[in-house]
Amino acid sequence: DVVLTQTPPTLSATIGQSVSISCRSSQSLLHSNGNTYLHWLLQRPGQSPQLLIYLVSRLESGVPNRFSGSGSGTDFTLKISGVEAEDLGVYYCVQGTHAPYTFGAGTKLELK
Amino acid sequence: EVQLVESGGSLVQPGGSLKLSCVASGFTFSNYWMDWVRQTPGKSLEWIGEINTDGSKTNYAPSIKDRFTISRDNAKSTLYLQMSNVKSDDTAIYYCTRLWDYWGQGVMVTVSS
Repeated sequence: DVVLTQTPPTLSATIGQSVSISCRSSQSLLHSNGNTYLHWLLQRPGQSPQLLIYLVSRLESGVPNRFSGSGSGTDFTLKISGVEAEDLGVYYCVQGTHAPYTFGAGTKLELK
Repeated sequence: EVQLVESGGSLVQPGGSLKLSCVASGFTFSNYWMDWVRQTPGKSLEWIGEINTDGSKTNYAPSIKDRFTISRDNAKSTLYLQMSNVKSDDTAIYYCTRLWDYWGQGVMVTVSS
């Protein structure tokens, strides 16, 4: 199975600070069809996960543009340019290239 | 508005069976692959499996293969997860999701004697 390693496990930030989360895969996530099925989710406390970024860098409809994704192959990054209070929660990367699909362990974003 | 509403969660004894449902609305259900994902208390997410648009193809995680079955009824816009021979490790919140972009509210399954 593909292992996704997320770092850091916990992130403390102040409002307005820019932060990044890393997601590294144990194998390339480039599919034979040319797509890279690496996505980012946010799970706020007590809520279901929500999609933020899909296919590495595409912003899901309705998601603020302070969120951005980048990367290729095995290394991926989610960046939040100016954290807001509503961004607190746990961020997960998920890969849909190789079955069984797998999730990172999560990065908890807290207020400093 | 897209909605996914799960039901069927409960307390079940080890070795028992349970069937979860996920009713979809707000989109053409028959056009989308659907997935089940679970989350154990305080832990990360685990993909359970997926089903294609007409229900003819399914893929499962090795951890649940041969015990869980995913099916769908497109006429009822409903996705199902049949759970058999459940174990304590199956205790989790179960979510249905449409290709990660929409998720249900989740339903709790507790396996305990």
